[in-house]
Amino acid sequence: GENVEQHPSTLSVQEGDSAVIKCTYSDSASNYFPWYKQELGKRPQLIIDIRSNVGEKKDQRIAVTLNKTAKHFSLHITETQPEDSAVYFCAAIPAGGKLIFGQGTELSVKP
Amino acid sequence: EPEVTQTPSHQVTQMGQEVILRCVPISNHLYFYWYRQILGQKVEFLVSFYNNEISEKSEIFDDQFSVERPDGSNFTLKIRSTKLEDSAMYFCASSEAIGDRGEQYFGPGTRLTVT
Repeated sequence: GENVEQHPSTLSVQEGDSAVIKCTYSDSASNYFPWYKQELGKRPQLIIDIRSNVGEKKDQRIAVTLNKTAKHFSLHITETQPEDSAVYFCAAIPAGGKLIFGQGTELSVKP
Repeated sequence: EPEVTQTPSHQVTQMGQEVILRCVPISNHLYFYWYRQILGQKVEFLVSFYNNEISEKSEIFDDQFSVERPDGSNFTLKIRSTKLEDSAMYFCASSEAIGDRGEQYFGPGTRLTVT
């Protein structure tokens, strides 16, 4: 079945710097890759997603890139702010519709 | 903006007891899911549900688990005889469509503590 690996597990940046989180997946049939932000004790919230027919998508300070050949995708956050501090999960959807999550990255943005 | 809701927010139960976790998906969504998250770990898929039947289930979703849509709005997860290792946050999610055509939106979760 699908397996999603996520790195790094923790990431600490200074406010204003960029943050990059990387994920790899194993199932070439996966065609949808959402990213979720989870604040402590809260629900995972969808922040951006990318489908397999595009290589990059941007929404304000957040961008995702997808390399289908290499089976990896990344989240880029520019001009980080303290409120970006949270755990970020990448995920993939293989055939069937279930989300397979990565292990999560705890992002800490220091003011 | 419509949201998935879940009750209760926290459930404490003794080992061996039955629990029912409740969810109200977004009203026009057709696909429903349960996920769990053990403290400090990643979110894991349990089961998906469509058209009043299970579409897919993980190996975690054994005979002790069941799901039901008892009416037009609620979606429930039942654990028949809870074990200590069932302690986790349980998230319900729903989507309008399946796969890459359906973003999944999560409820606030139910924290289940089995003692």
